[in-house]
Amino acid sequence: AQSVSQHNHHVILSEAASLELGCNYSYGGTVNLFWYVQYPGQHLQLLLKYFSGDPLVKGIKGFEAEFIKSKFSFNLRKPSVQWSDTAEYFCAVNKGYGGSQGNLIFGKGTKLSVKP
Amino acid sequence: EAQVTQNPRYLITVTGKKLTVTCSQNMNHEYMSWYRQDPGLGLRQIYYSMNVEVTDKGDVPEGYKVSRKEKRNFPLILESPSPNQTSLYFCASSFVGERGQPQHFGDGTRLSIL
Repeated sequence: AQSVSQHNHHVILSEAASLELGCNYSYGGTVNLFWYVQYPGQHLQLLLKYFSGDPLVKGIKGFEAEFIKSKFSFNLRKPSVQWSDTAEYFCAVNKGYGGSQGNLIFGKGTKLSVKP
Repeated sequence: EAQVTQNPRYLITVTGKKLTVTCSQNMNHEYMSWYRQDPGLGLRQIYYSMNVEVTDKGDVPEGYKVSRKEKRNFPLILESPSPNQTSLYFCASSFVGERGQPQHFGDGTRLSIL
């Protein structure tokens, strides 16, 4: 069965530190990859997505992610975090061409706490 | 304003008392989906719908029903709620036409089943 693994349950950083959150997926075919962010008490918002083209994807708020097909990975990065980045981050994947949404599989999430 | 609206936002109820959580979107999206979010488990998909009258099971459909009679609405029905259905529920929607369509999420419904 398709699965998504996020390696870190809780990450604690100081402001200005660099961030990398790991995400690996198990499906071998064509995939669409997403990172969502959930700020405390809010709903999920899209940070960035990849479905084709340049494997280095830039999203909102200075976040980027790199798709490495050979490693089945889609790690999220930010060079310098801010206190306002404190949130829970979810990696998600679905498969297919032609806009088929089907079953979107989420990782279990990584909580990021940024100390001021 | 483009949005996904869920009601109610909070509900405390008792085991066995049927309840419905409504979800409505105003973006003319074909695809709608329900998730539950539990600590340490992330989001798990309950049911999804690719269009009107087309629904399918996600990863955790037991104990839930859905219907898609109109494009904008996708209610989640708990016929006989049990305490293990206490959770935070999110509805989401998106277009289907192109790859990589992101989902738009509602604000969530926190259900407590006593």
